[in-house]
Amino acid sequence: DIQMTQSPSSLSASVGDRVTITCRASQSISNSLNWYQQKLGKAPKLLIYAASNLQSGVPSRFSGSGSGTDFTLTISSLQPEDFATYYCQQYYISPPESFGQGTRVEF
Amino acid sequence: EVQLVQSGTEVKKPGGSLKISCKTSGYIFTTYWIGWVRQMPGKGLEWMGIIYPGDSDTRYSPSFKGQVTISADKSTTTAYLQWNNLKASDTAMYYCARQALRRDRFFDYWGQGTLVTVSA
Repeated sequence: DIQMTQSPSSLSASVGDRVTITCRASQSISNSLNWYQQKLGKAPKLLIYAASNLQSGVPSRFSGSGSGTDFTLTISSLQPEDFATYYCQQYYISPPESFGQGTRVEF
Repeated sequence: EVQLVQSGTEVKKPGGSLKISCKTSGYIFTTYWIGWVRQMPGKGLEWMGIIYPGDSDTRYSPSFKGQVTISADKSTTTAYLQWNNLKASDTAMYYCARQALRRDRFFDYWGQGTLVTVSA
């Protein structure tokens, strides 16, 4: 299995901050990487697919970059509704299409 | 409108059987994969497996293979996740999600989740 490691596990930020979350794969996965947002008690929501493609309807303050083993999710100006946990997911090798352990963004 | 509606909360005893469902609508059921994702209390997301209802091609994570069964019924556009020997460690929220048949694979629509509690 490919192991996905996110950092940090949690972070504290303020409204308007630029936030960056990192995801590292245990081997190269090209650009086969998605990002999801999960709010408390809700199902995950797709934000970014194929490393850098913004899903329809997702605010442009979210962006993704990276290829190979290192990827980042950036929130350019944190909004109150962005309080959530964020997960990366690889699909280069399946099964399984493994998730990272999550990064909790707190205010 | 694409919708995935999951069956309700379950409370079961260890050793029992369970089949939860994911009723889909708003798209052609046989042209998208349906996956299942586990989330144990306070923990992260775990990819369990996926099925292509068009031909019933099913793939399991090694962690879940032999522990659960994924199936789909084309006539009712419903996917299922089944256990035959529940354990306390199966206590979790389970999500179904749709995945397109394309090179870039991602879950674009999700069910609301089914909470399963296994307790004596």
